[in-house]
Amino acid sequence: AQSVAQPEDQVNVAEGNPLTVKCTYSVSGNPYLFWYVQYPNRGLQFLLKYITGDNLVKGSYGFEAEFNKSQTSFHLKKPSALVSDSALYFCASPAGTGANNLFFGTGTRLTVIP
Amino acid sequence: EAGVAQSPRYKIIEKRQSVAFWCNPISGHATLYWYQQILGQGPKLLIQFQNNGVVDDSQLPKDRFSAERLKGVDSTLKIQPAKLEDSAVYLCASSLGRTGGGGEQFFGPGTRLTVL
Repeated sequence: AQSVAQPEDQVNVAEGNPLTVKCTYSVSGNPYLFWYVQYPNRGLQFLLKYITGDNLVKGSYGFEAEFNKSQTSFHLKKPSALVSDSALYFCASPAGTGANNLFFGTGTRLTVIP
Repeated sequence: EAGVAQSPRYKIIEKRQSVAFWCNPISGHATLYWYQQILGQGPKLLIQFQNNGVVDDSQLPKDRFSAERLKGVDSTLKIQPAKLEDSAVYLCASSLGRTGGGGEQFFGPGTRLTVL
C-alpha cells in the first residue's frame, strides 16, 4: 500500500527562524510526493512535488522539500518563517501505483510566532 | 484561469435530511474528485470521475451518498439521508490527468457541512 505519515500534529516556530514539517512515506517503486497547504476556510493549495531528479525540490512561497530515499522522508522546509505561513500542511502521494487519487497524511498545523 | 468552484460554502441540516453539493472544475480538466475532510484529519477520497465515468467509488457510502458528473464537466454530490458523522468539509478537486503520473490536483474552497 502507498501511504504517507506526518509524525507531528503541531509545529511552532518563531518568525524568522527556519521551519521543518516532517513527512515519511511508504511507497513502492519510484514515489511521487506532494505537499499541499490549507489556510483557514480555504481549499488546499499545491506547494510542490517530487517526481524524479534533484532531491531538493523548490516550490511556491519560498518553500522547498528534500527527498531522502534512505530515510524514506520528504520534509518540507523554509529558511525563514513568516507569520503568514501559519496554516495546515499536508503531505500526499498517489494512493496506488498509477492511481489518480491522492492519499493524504493527517496534517501538521504550523504556527509561526511573531 | 478560473479555479475550481464549489457551492454552497456552508450548509447546516438536521440528521435524516438530504443535501447536495455542486462543483465546477477547471476548464479542460478531465479528472474530478470528491474528498471528505473530517475535522483533524486529512482529506479522504469519496469518488473519482474521468470525464463522465466513475473510476473509483470504493470508499463512497453508497447507501446514502451518490454523485454524478453529467456531460463530463460539473458534478454534484448528494447525501440522503444525512447522519451526524457526515459533518465534514467536502472538497472537490480536478486535474488534467493522472496524479499517479505526477500531475497535481487543484482544489476548490470546499463546502462545510454541519449535521445537527
